[in-house]
Amino acid sequence: DVKVTQSSRYLVKRTGEKVFLECVQDMDHENMFWYRQDPGLGLRLIYFSYDVKMKEKGDIPEGYSVSREKKERFSLILESASTNQTSMYLCASSFANGDLNTEAFFGQGTRLTVV
Amino acid sequence: DQQVKQNSPSLSVQEGRISILNCDYTNSMFDYFLWYKKYPAEGPTFLISISSIKDKNEDGRFTVFLNKSAKHLSLHIVPSQPGDSAVYFCAASRGGADGLTFGKGTHLIIQP
Repeated sequence: DVKVTQSSRYLVKRTGEKVFLECVQDMDHENMFWYRQDPGLGLRLIYFSYDVKMKEKGDIPEGYSVSREKKERFSLILESASTNQTSMYLCASSFANGDLNTEAFFGQGTRLTVV
Repeated sequence: DQQVKQNSPSLSVQEGRISILNCDYTNSMFDYFLWYKKYPAEGPTFLISISSIKDKNEDGRFTVFLNKSAKHLSLHIVPSQPGDSAVYFCAASRGGADGLTFGKGTHLIIQP
């Protein structure tokens, strides 16, 4: 079974702190993604990566950065946390098959609260 | 501009009957469509998908229909069971490494 593991289920951080959210997948997937889920807004793509050290902005990258030093690990960084970044963060990975499509597998989510 | 739309925030269906969840999209570049199911405090789990070259895909109680000309897809669940109560997200992809574009979700409630 594909496993995508996020390091924390729940986090509480203070405004202005630097926050790291870690994600590891064990299926040797090339693609990895970070989404946030907010009530009434669905899932919105923050950043994605299709290879080690490669990153692409998604729909809402402002206030975030990412790091992918190893294939299995994709980190989301909040440089200076703000209260509007309180959200459920979801990491996902998928197999790259050229132009063919494959489904993404999600981690269990990290509920981040910024106070 | 919302490219994937789920216009029903919630849907209530009696146990044993058919649940029909709808999704519309605007981007004609999308060529792969997926449905995910999500329970509270958990990540979404993949349910079923369909390629744009097909108009129907079936997997057990779940069937997805795609109408490309109308840019519309639907998920049918027959028969509906209590464990189907969850939020269902429609998602679309343009292929390759691009991320999925999600709708806002429909909360399905199965009434006993």
